[in-house]
Amino acid sequence: AQSVTQPDIHITVSEGASLELRCNYSYGATPYLFWYVQSPGQGLQLLLKYFSGDTLVQGIKGFEAEFKRSQSSFNLRKPSVHWSDAAEYFCAVGAREYGNKLVFGAGTILRVKS
Amino acid sequence: DVKVTQSSRYLVKRTGEKVFLECVQDMDHENMFWYRQDPGLGLRLIYFSYDVKMKEKGDIPEGYSVSREKKERFSLILESASTNQTSMYLCASLSGGAKNIQYFGAGTRLSVL
Repeated sequence: AQSVTQPDIHITVSEGASLELRCNYSYGATPYLFWYVQSPGQGLQLLLKYFSGDTLVQGIKGFEAEFKRSQSSFNLRKPSVHWSDAAEYFCAVGAREYGNKLVFGAGTILRVKS
Repeated sequence: DVKVTQSSRYLVKRTGEKVFLECVQDMDHENMFWYRQDPGLGLRLIYFSYDVKMKEKGDIPEGYSVSREKKERFSLILESASTNQTSMYLCASLSGGAKNIQYFGAGTRLSVL
């Protein structure tokens, strides 16, 4: 069965520090990969996506992610975190073979300390 | 911009009530989804629809039904609400073709007392 693992439930970083959020997936097909962000009381906003091609993808708000097929990972990074980045982050995986459905990870809550 | 609107941000209902959650999208998308979000569990797919009057069960359909009479509207129905259905419900709409991106509404936080 398809699954997505975000190993870190909570992460706390200092403002200005770098950030890496981990995502591992188990999928029986060539995956589409997504990172979404959810601010408190809001819906999910797409940060970035990977379909094919260059394995390093750039997203909004200064985020990037790297697809590593050999490690089944799609980690999210940001070189310098801002207080406004505090939110919950979700990794999601889909595949053409499974139609348009996505499987989501459990989420990582990011806290930013000043 | 794609807009996915969920009719209520907060709902409080009693056990046994029939509950309707409404979702409308303005981008003529064919695919729409209902998810349930619970802490530590992420988003779990309840039902989805790939066309008017078409629906498929997701991973946790028990206790729920859906209706898609018009392309822009996708309704989630709790036939007899129970306390274990207290949750955040998120609707999404999918752009088709090569992009395969789901756009989300702001969510409805449902409390069943």
